[in-house]
Amino acid sequence: GAGVSQSPSNKVTEKGKDVELRCDPISGHTALYWYRQSLGQGLEFLIYFQGNSAPDKSGLPSDRFSAERTGGSVSTLTIQRTQQEDSAVYLCASSWDRVGTEAFFGQGTRLTVV
Amino acid sequence: AQTVTQSQPEMSVQEAETVTLSCTYDTSESDYYLFWYKQPPSRQMILVIRQEAYKQQNATENRFSVNFQKAAKSFSLKISDSQLGDAAMYFCAIYTDKLIFGTGTRLQVFP
Repeated sequence: GAGVSQSPSNKVTEKGKDVELRCDPISGHTALYWYRQSLGQGLEFLIYFQGNSAPDKSGLPSDRFSAERTGGSVSTLTIQRTQQEDSAVYLCASSWDRVGTEAFFGQGTRLTVV
Repeated sequence: AQTVTQSQPEMSVQEAETVTLSCTYDTSESDYYLFWYKQPPSRQMILVIRQEAYKQQNATENRFSVNFQKAAKSFSLKISDSQLGDAAMYFCAIYTDKLIFGTGTRLQVFP
């Protein structure tokens, strides 16, 4: 596709429910990131996929958060048993497999837990 | 682990004037990359400028330039001839083994 695509753009869920957020990176990009941005705050690193290497999960805040990337392309971020503090914008970014290249971002998914 | 610090939560500038946004970072790596990204109200992150740590020359992109002080681990962004469209959140970021962002500076531009 022309850019990084995230779906849904907005998601409202009840506390305790599981949610799945989807990211379609730019075709050919081997690196994929997930970040969390709380209202008016910075980008909190969550997880990083690079090619066939084991993902860097060091930013996941709890074991309720998990992510997978199938076939080196589409990625899904799953949040189980959602809590109100999970409400945020979740941003996905992808880049080429070259160190230090520009990361291209999607528009994000705004998650609201009520 | 690398960290990025942006000590100015908010800045303001008058149209056509110059403003400098501060960023400091910490890393034990000698080879890394530094970035400034802009996030307007649309939420779309846009790359403003990129600096390779091994290059001593400061990067410039039109009205945007950086002051890269490697020894001081400082990477400030200067916006010249500020325009209303420059109003946004600005994030400093470092890449060593992954891309890490600072907390951002909200820039307001007044006519």
